[in-house]
Amino acid sequence: DVKVTQSSRYLVKRTGEKVFLECVQDMDHENMFWYRQDPGLGLRLIYFSYDVKMKEKGDIPEGYSVSREKKERFSLILESASTNQTSMYLCASMGQGDGYTFGSGTRLTVV
Amino acid sequence: GESVGLHLPTLSVQEGDNSIINCAYSNSASDYFIWYKQESGKGPQFIIDIRSNMDKRQGQRVTVLLNKTVKHLSLQIAATQPGDSAVYFCAEIPDGTSYGKLTFGQGTILTVHP
Repeated sequence: DVKVTQSSRYLVKRTGEKVFLECVQDMDHENMFWYRQDPGLGLRLIYFSYDVKMKEKGDIPEGYSVSREKKERFSLILESASTNQTSMYLCASMGQGDGYTFGSGTRLTVV
Repeated sequence: GESVGLHLPTLSVQEGDNSIINCAYSNSASDYFIWYKQESGKGPQFIIDIRSNMDKRQGQRVTVLLNKTVKHLSLQIAATQPGDSAVYFCAEIPDGTSYGKLTFGQGTILTVHP
């Protein structure tokens, strides 16, 4: 089975901090994604990557950046955390024939 | 803009009944559709998928129906169990160079009463 692992289930950070959310997949997938999930808004795409060192903006990239230095790892970075970035963050990966798999999510609270 | 939406935000059924969750999509070029189940505090779990060249696909206790004429997708769960209680999302991947970006519906909350 494809495994997508997010390093933290819960995080509490202060406003203005730089925050790193890590995601690792073990199936050599080309495509990786970061979504955030908020009540009433569903899942929204922040950034995605279709290859190492490649990244594309999703629907709501403002306030975020990403890093894909290795194929298996896709990091989401909050340059200066704000309270409106309190959310559930979901990483996903997709490869040929393997479909689309999500991690368990990181619930981030910015205080 | 393109969107994927759900007709009913909540659905309550009795244990043992069949459940039907509906989804409308607006992008006629969409190529691939997925249903996810999300339990509280967890990430979405893949249930079943269907490609646009199919009308129906069956899994274990679940069936997905695709009607391209009216751009409608449904998930049928047979003999619903309390463990099926969750939020169910439909999602689509448009054809073309989308790199697998999913567009999600808002979700339907399914509650199964014993």
